[in-house]
Amino acid sequence: GNSVTQMEGPVTLSEEAFLTINCTYTATGYPSLFWYVQYPGEGLQLLLKATKADDKGSNKGFEATYRKETTSFHLEKGSVQVSDSAVYFCALSDYNAGGTSYGKLTFGQGTILTVHP
Amino acid sequence: KAGVTQTPRYLIKTRGQQVTLSCSPISGHRSVSWYQQTPGQGLQFLFEYFSETQRNKGNFPGRFSGRQFSNSRSEMNVSTLELGDSALYLCASSLGLDWYEQYFGPGTRLTVT
Repeated sequence: GNSVTQMEGPVTLSEEAFLTINCTYTATGYPSLFWYVQYPGEGLQLLLKATKADDKGSNKGFEATYRKETTSFHLEKGSVQVSDSAVYFCALSDYNAGGTSYGKLTFGQGTILTVHP
Repeated sequence: KAGVTQTPRYLIKTRGQQVTLSCSPISGHRSVSWYQQTPGQGLQFLFEYFSETQRNKGNFPGRFSGRQFSNSRSEMNVSTLELGDSALYLCASSLGLDWYEQYFGPGTRLTVT
């Protein structure tokens, strides 16, 4: 079945540091890939997405490139801010696999990011 | 455009009781998916409804059920509550087409005592 593996957390950085959160996946078809962010006490917000190989998703200074050859979708940001402190989830949707994939996102375990001033 | 709304936001129930949670999707979205989030198991898919039909179901016992109405609003029901059902229940809506960009509500925090 499909699976997503994220780097172990938590990650603690100083403001303006470079961020990388690793994400690798296993899928039977050609999945779409997503990064979601969850702030304390809230639901998940879509951060960025990529729907095919070599696509780069970007939003709010975050970027991730869909690498089919390495089955990866690593999240990066050049200069983090205190306000980026949250939990980040990598996820995939394998819609083209049919029935058992309808409406289903498969998530990684989440990475807690804390940014200090 | 209004986002996904979930009611209630917080619930406290006793073991053995049943509970119904509600989700109103973004206008125009026909698909609603439900997830359970716990510290131990992370985010797990419960089921998905599209145009009032359940299209997909995760690996949860039959105590977990749902439905969708003609206006795309959805409810999920958990009967005979167990302590392990304590979790944040999230619903997400999407157009239900193609590659499934899902938009999540704030969740309902269920505590079973």
